[in-house]
Amino acid sequence: DAGVIQSPRHEVTEMGQEVTLRCKPISGHDYLFWYRQTMMRGLELLIYFNNNVPIDDSGMPEDRFSAKMPNASFSTLKIQPSEPRDSAVYFCASRLGGANYGYTFGSGTRLTVV
Amino acid sequence: GESVGLHLPTLSVQEGDNSIINCAYSNSASDYFIWYKQESGKGPQFIIDIRSNMDKRQGQRVTVLLNKTVKHLSLQIAATQPGDSAVYFCAENPRRGNKLTFGGGTRVLVKP
Repeated sequence: DAGVIQSPRHEVTEMGQEVTLRCKPISGHDYLFWYRQTMMRGLELLIYFNNNVPIDDSGMPEDRFSAKMPNASFSTLKIQPSEPRDSAVYFCASRLGGANYGYTFGSGTRLTVV
Repeated sequence: GESVGLHLPTLSVQEGDNSIINCAYSNSASDYFIWYKQESGKGPQFIIDIRSNMDKRQGQRVTVLLNKTVKHLSLQIAATQPGDSAVYFCAENPRRGNKLTFGGGTRVLVKP
């Protein structure tokens, strides 16, 4: 099992540019989560999907952020346009539904907006 | 909003000693708790979990204690090793929900 795979590992972009972060969940997991980690706010849940359907996006900070899950093995988080305050580490996590199985996290994408 | 242990204290531990990391939570509706370990440059790694119908659970060198009366969670690491140096997060999950909420974390530094 390769775990949750995120790409890219690092992204540096200029303010105003579009940024797309990618995630491949563990095969068979039917929940997928996007988290953001900053020193000031810690780990925050942005959005989560169940069976590819967005269930709760109340954590998405602004309309500049959008997330999609076109199929069970792929999800994207897009920021357009990006701003310096979006600089953070973005994590994707997945888990099985049903019982409270532990969430498995990817290695994250470190985003720097200059 | 409700929160889980929003602090990032640092715990310095001598190698071989036991470590105790504490976490306070405020959501009485939470019924599932997880401890994660995060090393530099990596994602949070699952350590151990506990449901609200238990007050203690043991794993390999780790024990989680849950006190629902005072909404307190702790992680005990036996015989702390240099590889245990990391930031540790407690997280809570509400009953019949999927919004895992993280505390601010505790940094553990193991001194040789």
